[in-house]
Amino acid sequence: ETGVTQTPRHLVMGMTNKKSLKCEQHLGHNAMYWYKQSAKKPLELMFVYSLEERVENNSVPSRFSPECPNSSHLFLHLHTLQPEDSALYLCASSQKRGLAGATYNEQFFGPGTRLTVL
Amino acid sequence: RKEVEQDPGPFNVPEGATVAFNCTYSNSASQSFFWYRQDCRKEPKLLMSVYSSGNEDGRFTAQLNRASQYISLLIRDSKLSDSATYLCVVKSGVGGATNKLIFGTGTLLAVQP
Repeated sequence: ETGVTQTPRHLVMGMTNKKSLKCEQHLGHNAMYWYKQSAKKPLELMFVYSLEERVENNSVPSRFSPECPNSSHLFLHLHTLQPEDSALYLCASSQKRGLAGATYNEQFFGPGTRLTVL
Repeated sequence: RKEVEQDPGPFNVPEGATVAFNCTYSNSASQSFFWYRQDCRKEPKLLMSVYSSGNEDGRFTAQLNRASQYISLLIRDSKLSDSATYLCVVKSGVGGATNKLIFGTGTLLAVQP
């Protein structure tokens, strides 16, 4: 496989369920991201992992819990979600260059998981 | 005020037309600018970066006006395959340890036969 893959592509869950979204990148990148895309709203950055360390948490509710076990995999664990959490969840990866004052190259997105919370 | 603002459209244009999209951003310290393209029910993909001097890639021309905090994308000789949502994207901050991209809501383009 190439690029960035996400599973599942579609997920329907109840508010009491626990589920996980998976992202895998085959590009050798060292930074990974979770975004949320809701209808009529811009993409919202949720989490950033750089070299497997979370470097940004964009005021996301605790019912969303990310996990980055290695540089190729990223998970988003979901529990007790609300209907307003229904959205397209996109994973992306990029290559970080440098240490202090690091810059990042283009972000490559996965196809997303379409989540519906009932 | 939104950090990145775009006209949502839709822009309905005939094949062969020239169409221009505009975008404004609120953070004057922003350093990097991009246009991404998102097809219906697909993920966003980088279309082109936007440089201070303006840049062209085939039928696509991007321009940046830092004084007015304004970015534009011009598409010449529109093709049916250009139909998509065009996302204006601004990278916040200078250097640092993160690459935080701020996305506009996107402008929908529909090219008609």
